[in-house]
Amino acid sequence: EIVLTQSPDTVSLSPGERATLSCRASQSVSSSYLAWYQQKPGQAPRLLIYGASSRATGIPDRFSGSGSGTDFTLTINRLQPEDFGVYYCQQYGSSPYSFGQGTKLEIK
Amino acid sequence: QVQLVQSGAEVKKPGSSVKVSCKASGGTFSNYAINWVRQAPGQGLEWMGGIIPIFGTANYAQKFQGRVTITTDESTRTAYLELSSLRSDDTAVYYCARLRRDIVNYYGMDAWGQGTTVTVSS
Repeated sequence: EIVLTQSPDTVSLSPGERATLSCRASQSVSSSYLAWYQQKPGQAPRLLIYGASSRATGIPDRFSGSGSGTDFTLTINRLQPEDFGVYYCQQYGSSPYSFGQGTKLEIK
Repeated sequence: QVQLVQSGAEVKKPGSSVKVSCKASGGTFSNYAINWVRQAPGQGLEWMGGIIPIFGTANYAQKFQGRVTITTDESTRTAYLELSSLRSDDTAVYYCARLRRDIVNYYGMDAWGQGTTVTVSS
């Protein structure tokens, strides 16, 4: 089973700043099948990035993903107030399709 | 546009079973990869298992093996999650989600149901 570890657990930033979220896998993620999701309280997760670096439909280009193998990054440029929430990485290259524990992004 | 609509909240006794439904609209249902993900109160996301209707065989997380069954009914475009021998720590919001796919690739879980709250309490 691939274990995903996200860092930091919580980050607090001001609007306009850049957020850099990390996701490290215990073993290589097959075919870069790595996704990022945003979840707000009381809502289902929303797909932001798939295939490590491809933006999902309707996702602003402020969101970008990078990485391969075991190290992946989600970058959010020019933070907006609506970007608060918890961000999860997930690998879907090998079963079980594990999630990271999440990074909580707080907007100052 | 794919939409997933789940059944309503459930309250169950320990030791009983629950069956949650997920009705899909849009797209070609038989090609979907329907997955079930749960979230305990205040906790993160946990993948439980998934199924591709056209293949018919479900794949489960080891943690739930023997207690979980995922099925589909193509005639009604509905997927089901059944969890048995319920315990208090099964109290969670259960989501269905479509893992978008084609013949050669997978593209992340791009459509989610609204979630079904299952409460296990005596």
